[in-house]
Amino acid sequence: DTGVSQDPRHKITKRGQNVTFRCDPISEHNRLYWYRQTLGQGPEFLTYFQNEAQLEKSRLLSDRFSAERPKGSFSTLEIQRTEQGDSAMYLCASRGTGELFFGEGSRLTVL
Amino acid sequence: AQSVTQPDIHITVSEGASLELRCNYSYGATPYLFWYVQSPGQGLQLLLKYFSGDTLVQGIKGFEAEFKRSQSSFNLRKPSVHWSDAAEYFCAVGLNSGNTPLVFGKGTRLSVIA
Repeated sequence: DTGVSQDPRHKITKRGQNVTFRCDPISEHNRLYWYRQTLGQGPEFLTYFQNEAQLEKSRLLSDRFSAERPKGSFSTLEIQRTEQGDSAMYLCASRGTGELFFGEGSRLTVL
Repeated sequence: AQSVTQPDIHITVSEGASLELRCNYSYGATPYLFWYVQSPGQGLQLLLKYFSGDTLVQGIKGFEAEFKRSQSSFNLRKPSVHWSDAAEYFCAVGLNSGNTPLVFGKGTRLSVIA
């Protein structure tokens, strides 16, 4: 499969724990985006990278959220000290010169 | 800042009937416009996009959309709906085809009845 891959697909955690999601983009795509989607809403932009450079991070929801793309390939999104309000679907997308391709998302449930 | 409005939260149509999903955008420049579809538990799939040129664009699965600058609209249409079209549909707007992230509407859920 050469699409965007996200792992894990579903994470259940207790409030206060840290979680990390991984995204493997399409290999030749240099741009990678993270979105959050809550029930009944459209995807909400969080941050994006061009190669290893994080070009926009002001939309990250709080300082508990951080993202990296250390070698310009895969990316991780970490949420520290999770809260119940963090429960959502976290979507990754990648882009070369054309359209945005989305992964199937990582669903987070915070108990 | 750009924004996207999808006025209809939920639409129900009969199989074989025609469909139109509405999308209005607010943007200061000529936007790049997209329609995505999302089935339950799945990621978003691109149906079609408008960058420039012909204002009527054709997409996959028999969908089309028309860009109307005067109305700031980009409505999605399909002449005959199939049961497999039941899904969530999202309109999105972007600044040129480059790096900047897309802004999505809240989506319209389509139900198809026999």
